[in-house]
Amino acid sequence: AQSVTQPDIHITVSEGASLELRCNYSYGATPYLFWYVQSPGQGLQLLLKYFSGDTLVQGIKGFEAEFKRSQSSFNLRKPSVHWSDAAEYFCAVASANQAGTALIFGKGTTLSVSS
Amino acid sequence: EAQVTQNPRYLITVTGKKLTVTCSQNMNHEYMSWYRQDPGLGLRQIYYSMNVEVTDKGDVPEGYKVSRKEKRNFPLILESPSPNQTSLYFCASSLRGHQPQHFGDGTRLSIL
Repeated sequence: AQSVTQPDIHITVSEGASLELRCNYSYGATPYLFWYVQSPGQGLQLLLKYFSGDTLVQGIKGFEAEFKRSQSSFNLRKPSVHWSDAAEYFCAVASANQAGTALIFGKGTTLSVSS
Repeated sequence: EAQVTQNPRYLITVTGKKLTVTCSQNMNHEYMSWYRQDPGLGLRQIYYSMNVEVTDKGDVPEGYKVSRKEKRNFPLILESPSPNQTSLYFCASSLRGHQPQHFGDGTRLSIL
């Protein structure tokens, strides 16, 4: 079965430091991969997506992610974290089957930013 | 403005009293979906719809019903709510199933 694993439940980084959030997926075919961010009390906002092509994708707010097929990973990175980046981050994979397409989310990583 | 609108945003109700959470999108999207979000479990898909009159179960469909009679609307129905359905619910839509989804602001349901 398709699955998404975010190994880190909670990460704290200092403002201005670099950030990497890990995501591993299990999916037989070429996946459609996404990162979403959820600020407290808000809905989810798309940060970036990977469908095909260049394995390094750029997103909004200075985020980027790299698709590594050999490692089944899609890690999210940012070179310099701002206090406003504190939020919960979700990795997701779109899983297609005969019936349609379901979106499978990881359990999320909460990012705290210290000053 | 492109948006997904859910109503109500907050609801406290009692066990067994039928309720409906409405979801409407103004982007002419084919794909719509419902999720519930629980602490430590992330988002889990309840039902999704590829198009009008086409719906399918997600990971946690028990206790829920949906309908898709119009393209823009995708209501979530709890026929006999129970306390384990207390959760934060999100509706989302996208042009196609594998495209990025636009999320509503969420509905917080408390079933007493």
